[in-house]
Amino acid sequence: AQRVTQPEKLLSVFKGAPVELKCNYSYSGSPELFWYVQYSRQRLQLLLRHISRESIKGFTADLNKGETSFHLKKPFAQEEDSAMYYCALSGRYDYKLSFGAGTTVTVRA
Amino acid sequence: DGGITQSPKYLFRKEGQNVTLSCEQNLNHDAMYWYRQDPGQGLRLIYYSQIVNDFQKGDIAEGYSVSREKKESFPLTVTSAQKNPTAFYLCASRALSAGELFFGEGSRLTVL
Repeated sequence: AQRVTQPEKLLSVFKGAPVELKCNYSYSGSPELFWYVQYSRQRLQLLLRHISRESIKGFTADLNKGETSFHLKKPFAQEEDSAMYYCALSGRYDYKLSFGAGTTVTVRA
Repeated sequence: DGGITQSPKYLFRKEGQNVTLSCEQNLNHDAMYWYRQDPGQGLRLIYYSQIVNDFQKGDIAEGYSVSREKKESFPLTVTSAQKNPTAFYLCASRALSAGELFFGEGSRLTVL
């Protein structure tokens, strides 16, 4: 069974401060991990995926297979980062895609 | 304009009635998904389909049914057996060769 856990429901940080959203997963095969974001009044959209190993909007995430984690980080939060963030998991050869409960991030001026 | 279209946006139904939510995509994606979004519970997978005429149960399939007769269409029926159907429903699709999921705008179902 695959499972995604996001332990923080709410996260509030000041502008310019670092932000880290935690994501832990459970999966027996080769996982593909994603972060999706939903800004106010917009559709859910992909932020980044582990396989790309790229930085999007200043965010990065590293897959740690030993700790089964895929935490999302940004060194300097901006007000436009306020949104709902979801961690998601799929198997490399399995198209079932499971999401965590989500973390609402608020960046205060 | 390519994308995923869900209809209706808002739907009210009486207890004991079945209701069908529509999802259409013109992205030529093979895989389609239905999720339910509830506050504090994130997105929970109801059903998904990798190919026409085939679909698999997700984590909360009880009380729901789907069909996949055409590549571009994946309707979801919320049956009277679903104990707590009031929710926001999201449809999504992706190409088999890529990981990115594209979402519709959602349908909000309220059972009176």
